[in-house]
Amino acid sequence: AIRMTQSPSSFSASTGDRVTITCRASQGISSYLAWYQQKPGKAPKLLIYAASTLQSGVPSRFSGSGSGTDFTLTISCLQSEDFATYYCQQYYSYPLAFGPGTKVDIK
Amino acid sequence: QVQLVESGGGVVQPGRSLRLSCAASGFTFSSYAMHWVRQAPGKGLEWVAVISYDGSNKYYADSVKGRFTISRDNSKNTLYLQMNSLRAEDTAVYYCARDLRSWNNRGGDAFDIWGQGTMVTVSS
Repeated sequence: AIRMTQSPSSFSASTGDRVTITCRASQGISSYLAWYQQKPGKAPKLLIYAASTLQSGVPSRFSGSGSGTDFTLTISCLQSEDFATYYCQQYYSYPLAFGPGTKVDIK
Repeated sequence: QVQLVESGGGVVQPGRSLRLSCAASGFTFSSYAMHWVRQAPGKGLEWVAVISYDGSNKYYADSVKGRFTISRDNSKNTLYLQMNSLRAEDTAVYYCARDLRSWNNRGGDAFDIWGQGTMVTVSS
């Protein structure tokens, strides 16, 4: 099974900051990588799929990059509504797998 | 609007069974593979199972294989998860989620629509 890791596991940031979250797959997954945002008590929300394609309705300050085993999610200018937990997910093969999550909170 | 609504959660004793349902509306349910994803309290997301749009293919996480069964009724626009031999570690919010692409024959996909989740607590 493919294992997903994320770094950091959590960090504090301020509005306006540029933030980057890293996701790594235990084996190559091409570009079959999605990013989700989850707020407390809510279902996850799809932000990016195919490693770099922005889901409809998602602000352009979110971007994704990478292929193979190493991926990044970047938020260019952090807004108050972006404080949340972010998960990557591989959909290259079954069993599908999520990363452990990265919590972004207010500094 | 496009919507998924889960139901059937509750408190159940270890070893017992429970069936979750997920009612879909606002889209052509029979065109999409569907998934169950769970989240234990304070923990991350865990993929549980998938069923293809026509019900012909199913895959499970190792943690539930042999105990859980995913099924669907396209005439009722409803997804199910039959959970048997429940364990304390199955305690979680269970979400149903839709494949991003319709008629997906490739295999896995991202999930663009999620339900609000239903809580399952396994405790004596």
